Parts: sequence; C-alpha cells; structure tokens
Amino acid sequence: DAGVIQSPRHEVTEMGQEVTLRCKPISGHDYLFWYRQTMMRGLELLIYFNNNVPIDDSGMPEDRFSAKMPNASFSTLKIQPSEPRDSAVYFCASSLNWLTYNEQFFGPGTRLTVL
Amino acid sequence: SQQGEEDPQALSIQEGENATMNCSYKTSINNLQWYRQNSGRGLVHLILIRSNEREKHSGRLRVTLDTSKKSSSLLITASRAADTASYFCASASSNTGKLIFGQGTTLQVKP
Repeated sequence: DAGVIQSPRHEVTEMGQEVTLRCKPISGHDYLFWYRQTMMRGLELLIYFNNNVPIDDSGMPEDRFSAKMPNASFSTLKIQPSEPRDSAVYFCASSLNWLTYNEQFFGPGTRLTVL
Repeated sequence: SQQGEEDPQALSIQEGENATMNCSYKTSINNLQWYRQNSGRGLVHLILIRSNEREKHSGRLRVTLDTSKKSSSLLITASRAADTASYFCASASSNTGKLIFGQGTTLQVKP
C-alpha cells in the first residue's frame, strides 16, 4: 500500500491567493483527518470525515478554510484567501474503524508558505 | 489550550542509553498513543495504551499510564541513532474521541 498521499509537498503562495491541498487516504479507510502543525500551536485537528461526511469541523480556524471529501479516495482542504499566518505544515491522516482501533496513518504533509 | 505537555522538550543521549519521555494530559481519556515524527515527515504510530491498562511493551518501547495523575511515559531502551526523531503523545478524549497531541520531545541519539 502506498500509504496516505498528499500533494503538493510544498506550496509557496502570496497573500490573498487561493490554496488547495489534496489528500488520498489509504484504500478502505473510513475516517479522514486534516491537521495543521506549527511551532507555536503544535499539532491541531482541523476537521475529520467519516464515510465522506464531515463529522467535526470545530477546529477549522475561520471561514477562509473549507474541506471537502467528494468520494472515499479524495479530500481537499482549501484556504481562500490565504494569509501569512496560515503558513504551516498540513497533514492528512486516515484510519480504519477509528473508534475501535484508534490508530491514525499520517501522510507526509504539505508545507505551506504564504508570503 | 487543551494540548498536553511533554517533558523534556529536548533530550540528547548516547547510543545504547535509555531515553525516557513524559507526557501529561488534561481530559479523561479512552486511550493514549505515542507517535514518532522524523524531520520533514509525517507522524508514525508507535504504541497505544488503553485507559484500563497500566503498562505496555512493544519491542524496545515501554509505555506506562497513570490515569490518577493524568500522565504517561515512554521508555526507549538501548537507543540507536535511527531513533533520532520527535516523539508525541496523543490522548484520545473520552468525550469526543479526538486525539489531543502534546508539544513533543525532540530526541537526539548520538552514535
């Protein structure tokens, strides 16, 4: 299995631009999570999906952030418009029957820099 | 902040020595997990201990959990240079099920 795939691995953009991060979870996993990691705030859960349905988006910082999961093999996290304080590493993780087994499998992350 | 705390923030040891990292959390939990993150990479799950367990072993890893003190420790025995990484504890809230990560301990193992 290829594991969780994220693209792009690095993104540099200018303030005000739209940014779209992509994630392909491990095949068969029914939970998908988006996290953000910064030095100041550590690793924060933004949103998670179960069977493609958003379950908890309470961690999404503001309306500029949105996430979708149109099918079981693809999810996007969009920031529009982007701001310098959004600079961080964004991780996608997936899990099989998370509430029972609890282990999450992380992708390599997307390092976002907003100038 | 709901985040747990880990100490030490950084640890440097010689190959062959043992490394101990501690974690404290704030909410009641279903389980506590430890993850490793190599520089520039994603997190990798190491071990999970449930709230009704006190100690668990996996290879060179030993995890303890004290729910009365809301604390856990991770012991890596006979460390290797390849163990150099950041280690995070993550507590699974019994209310929400969500993982709350600590700030991490950066471990350097010198060959």
